[in-house]
Amino acid sequence: ETGVTQTPRHLVMGMTNKKSLKCEQHLGHNAMYWYKQSAKKPLELMFVYSLEERVENNSVPSRFSPECPNSSHLFLHLHTLQPEDSALYLCASSHQPEGLAGVSYNEQFFGPGTRLTVL
Amino acid sequence: GQNIDQPTEMTATEGAIVQINCTYQTSGFNGLFWYQQHAGEAPTFLSYNVLDGLEEKGRFSSFLSRSKGYSYLLLKELQMKDSASYLCAAADSNYQLIWGAGTKLIIKP
Repeated sequence: ETGVTQTPRHLVMGMTNKKSLKCEQHLGHNAMYWYKQSAKKPLELMFVYSLEERVENNSVPSRFSPECPNSSHLFLHLHTLQPEDSALYLCASSHQPEGLAGVSYNEQFFGPGTRLTVL
Repeated sequence: GQNIDQPTEMTATEGAIVQINCTYQTSGFNGLFWYQQHAGEAPTFLSYNVLDGLEEKGRFSSFLSRSKGYSYLLLKELQMKDSASYLCAAADSNYQLIWGAGTKLIIKP
């Protein structure tokens, strides 16, 4: 248990479905991250929310939409996904010093991930 | 461009020592992280180096050479539970983490 939970742990969806992934951290951190992990590839940072500021990677397709209602919760809304989007989606959190939004200065604590399969 | 290189897979024997190497090229440098990830589980933090030299934590040690863009993770007295993937990540000038693809370590009895 790292203090970061993710639901669901497994998700199978069709290309026309809409689903959401949820992440919650109980560590009092002020930054949260979404990563995509594909087999034998480096972790890909998708989105960062830090000190109320969203930092995003411009290469993430618009079919992925993040939402961060507060510092403890993070969602990833999915719609019209493609089979190549099948992967493990990891959420992480960390404590960021004030005034350094998006800075990976401290270790990140990861959730167990959601294994997503797109048919 | 920014890049992290580490071996894809390594095999070692229970009780032995193994060294997992990582080379990095980043725009600026603000430290090197090692994480362990067991199959089907979350990555967990192992070590952080920002200064040259060796940091020891029990059976695990991590080394950094900033001038060579090189780090290694040393695991001693290997146990079966050490079978996992080991992820190397470097923080660039913006403190963004650049990740390697991970090294799958297989421990044999």
